[in-house]
Amino acid sequence: DTEVTQTPKHLVMGMTNKKSLKCEQHMGHRAMYWYKQKAKKPPELMFVYSYEKLSINESVPSRFSPECPNSSLLNLHLHALQPEDSALYLCASSQARGDIQYFGAGTRLSVL
Amino acid sequence: GQNIDQPTEMTATEGAIVQINCTYQTSGFNGLFWYQQHAGEAPTFLSYNVLDGLEEKGRFSSFLSRSKGYSYLLLKELQMKDSASYLCAVKRNTPLVFGKGTRLSVIA
Repeated sequence: DTEVTQTPKHLVMGMTNKKSLKCEQHMGHRAMYWYKQKAKKPPELMFVYSYEKLSINESVPSRFSPECPNSSLLNLHLHALQPEDSALYLCASSQARGDIQYFGAGTRLSVL
Repeated sequence: GQNIDQPTEMTATEGAIVQINCTYQTSGFNGLFWYQQHAGEAPTFLSYNVLDGLEEKGRFSSFLSRSKGYSYLLLKELQMKDSASYLCAVKRNTPLVFGKGTRLSVIA
């Protein structure tokens, strides 16, 4: 089983809303990742968690706030987003940092 | 920059063979991944090369030359469902850096 589950699949939010994206894996992976992907562009790394600790933050604006409550779950809290933040947000996990990453189906976010 | 280069688009005929190239800067290189991504879907893992040579997996093969900073993905017996973006991703001391991807269109 190489499944990474993301919810919701689609999200529409206003610029003053607060929402959260969720990601779950039960493969025992100890590294989890958030990526942002715009149309016809490659995924761009946002955050990396390794053993439930934030190990990389790729200079992401503070309106994106990641959280790793336990080894199976990864959240991305959203607040005061801008229309240019509309994108596909992908979660991935790997056995350890640098190993093969398995991706979830993503959350398609639209900010109005 | 990370300087990972792939052709932007390619077109090939059903049943044919296509080779998608990827070149990268060699400093700090720790391995290279190929992912397939259908439009609107998540990337799925295809192959991983860390040593020079060819890795074969069914209709897909991937080749790596570390000294040349060069890899290719070879797709044989193309099927319509192979129409997708193919992403080359380089592993260095930090997690993966993706190339811009090659959009492959398979035509009848």
